[in-house]
Amino acid sequence: AQSVSQHNHHVILSEAASLELGCNYSYGGTVNLFWYVQYPGQHLQLLLKYFSGDPLVKGIKGFEAEFIKSKFSFNLRKPSVQWSDTAEYFCAVNAKGSQGNLIFGKGTKLSVKP
Amino acid sequence: GAGVSQSPSNKVTEKGKDVELRCDPISGHTALYWYRQSLGQGLEFLIYFQGNSAPDKSGLPSDRFSAERTGGSVSTLTIQRTQQEDSAVYLCASSARTGDGYGYTFGSGTRLTVV
Repeated sequence: AQSVSQHNHHVILSEAASLELGCNYSYGGTVNLFWYVQYPGQHLQLLLKYFSGDPLVKGIKGFEAEFIKSKFSFNLRKPSVQWSDTAEYFCAVNAKGSQGNLIFGKGTKLSVKP
Repeated sequence: GAGVSQSPSNKVTEKGKDVELRCDPISGHTALYWYRQSLGQGLEFLIYFQGNSAPDKSGLPSDRFSAERTGGSVSTLTIQRTQQEDSAVYLCASSARTGDGYGYTFGSGTRLTVV
């Protein structure tokens, strides 16, 4: 069965600090990978996704993620965070070509201090 | 509509009562999903509808939970004889199609509190 691990439960950074949120998945086949963000009081929004091609994916608001197949990882990065990046971030996976649901990690809460 | 609409946004119910949660997906989206979001637990898959196919109910936690989708559009999640552990935010999402690379559009959720 597929599973997703997000090792950081809560990350606290100051503005302008660099960010890297870890995501590892467990699945033997090829996958599609996603990062979702939930800003306070808002619904989940797609931040970026990988399904083929360049393993370095760029998303909205300066975020990027790198798919490293050998490490089963899809870490999220941003070179310089802003206070407005305060949110909860969820990594998700589904099997390529599947008709099924996304499997989500438990989320990482990011707090950015102004 | 422009987005996924869920109602009610908040629901407080007494233990043992039945509740119905509604999801109106984006028009034309054939796939519809229900998830449950509990504090510190991330998103737990409940059930998935794809077109006219039989739903994937593999995530429903007990037989007190059921869902239907009428006419391939609106879906209702029903929880019978609610328990305090059912308290959570219930999220609905829809997708234009399943398969590679299609992410979901989520609704704002229904916050259920069982007292």
